[in-house]
Amino acid sequence: AQTVTQSQPEMSVQEAETVTLSCTYDTSESDYYLFWYKQPPSRQMILVIRQEAYKQQNATENRFSVNFQKAAKSFSLKISDSQLGDAAMYFCAYRQETSGSRLTFGEGTQLTVNP
Amino acid sequence: DGGITQSPKYLFRKEGQNVTLSCEQNLNHDAMYWYRQDPGQGLRLIYYSQIVNDFQKGDIAEGYSVSREKKESFPLTVTSAQKNPTAFYLCASSGGGWHSEQYFGPGTRLTVT
Repeated sequence: AQTVTQSQPEMSVQEAETVTLSCTYDTSESDYYLFWYKQPPSRQMILVIRQEAYKQQNATENRFSVNFQKAAKSFSLKISDSQLGDAAMYFCAYRQETSGSRLTFGEGTQLTVNP
Repeated sequence: DGGITQSPKYLFRKEGQNVTLSCEQNLNHDAMYWYRQDPGQGLRLIYYSQIVNDFQKGDIAEGYSVSREKKESFPLTVTSAQKNPTAFYLCASSGGGWHSEQYFGPGTRLTVT
């Protein structure tokens, strides 16, 4: 079974600085998707960024970028120029093509942004 | 506005009672999903449905049941057999294709006492 591990239960960053959240996963599949979701205090899940495994180029969405290391099964999220609104729980998730495109989530990292 | 609706936002029940959580989407998505979230844990899949009148168990289906009679609706029943039903429940949907992302509803917080 696929597993997703986020080893940092909590992280903090100063406003305007950069922070990196870690995620590792285990799979025997060759093609799959990886995602980072953000869950603010409202508890609404918001997609931040996604990466398809066969694409070697790291995905970027404005201040959010990933470092995807397929061989190492690592998928970290970098947030640049951190803003107070970035404070949230961040979940890493894995999706494979089979099994109804279901998502497998990590345990989450609670990010605090200090003014 | 297209989206996913879950109602109510907060739900309280007595132990031993079945309770049904509503999930409706107007995105014309084929696939729908139910997840459970507990404090300090990620989301865990309860059930999912890729098409009307068909659904599959997820990782923690025991004590839950679902139906998919209409494309836009995927209600979840938490039965009295679920040993620890108090949790936050999230519904999601997707277009069903490989490149489709999942969109989430606002969630329902269920408290059973």
